[in-house]
Amino acid sequence: DTEVTQTPKHLVMGMTNKKSLKCEQHMGHRAMYWYKQKAKKPPELMFVYSYEKLSINESVPSRFSPECPNSSLLNLHLHALQPEDSALYLCASSQDNGYEQYFGPGTRLTVT
Amino acid sequence: GDSVTQMEGPVTLSEEAFLTINCTYTATGYPSLFWYVQYPGEGLQLLLKATKADDKGSNKGFEATYRKETTSFHLEKGSVQVSDSAVYFCALNSNDYKLSFGAGTTVTVRA
Repeated sequence: DTEVTQTPKHLVMGMTNKKSLKCEQHMGHRAMYWYKQKAKKPPELMFVYSYEKLSINESVPSRFSPECPNSSLLNLHLHALQPEDSALYLCASSQDNGYEQYFGPGTRLTVT
Repeated sequence: GDSVTQMEGPVTLSEEAFLTINCTYTATGYPSLFWYVQYPGEGLQLLLKATKADDKGSNKGFEATYRKETTSFHLEKGSVQVSDSAVYFCALNSNDYKLSFGAGTTVTVRA
């Protein structure tokens, strides 16, 4: 099974709201990722967790806050977002460094 | 640094036509190469991969061969269907956590 699940599928939030995106995998993968994808563009890496520790932060604004509660779960906490943060947010996982990444279906986020 | 260049399209084909999407890369060392497909409204799906020179990845009728001498990983399918309409991304990984993606190629197959 190569499934990564994400909830919610769609999210609309105001600029003063706080919300969270959730991601789960049960493949025993040790690396998990958050990406942001704008329409017609490739995904842009935001964060990487390796063995439940944050290993890469691609200079993402602090209004995005990742969390890895355990090896199967990855959250992205959102606060005070801007309309330009509207995008598809993708979670991915891989066995480890250098292995293929498996993506979830994404959360379509709209900031009003 | 690593980079991937792929033809951007859009590409429009009739059913049963032959599809080629060119992909070339720049990387240090010996990267792994991937093709991902994204259907409308969905996430990315791993279509195929190759981890060393001369490897051929294949899946669902699609094929790509890792050519080190030409630094290429072109995607081909002999007879496309309407259901193959999607965006295709070529990507590489040089043994770290970062995937370098090409710009993506939008393919539309008409009945």
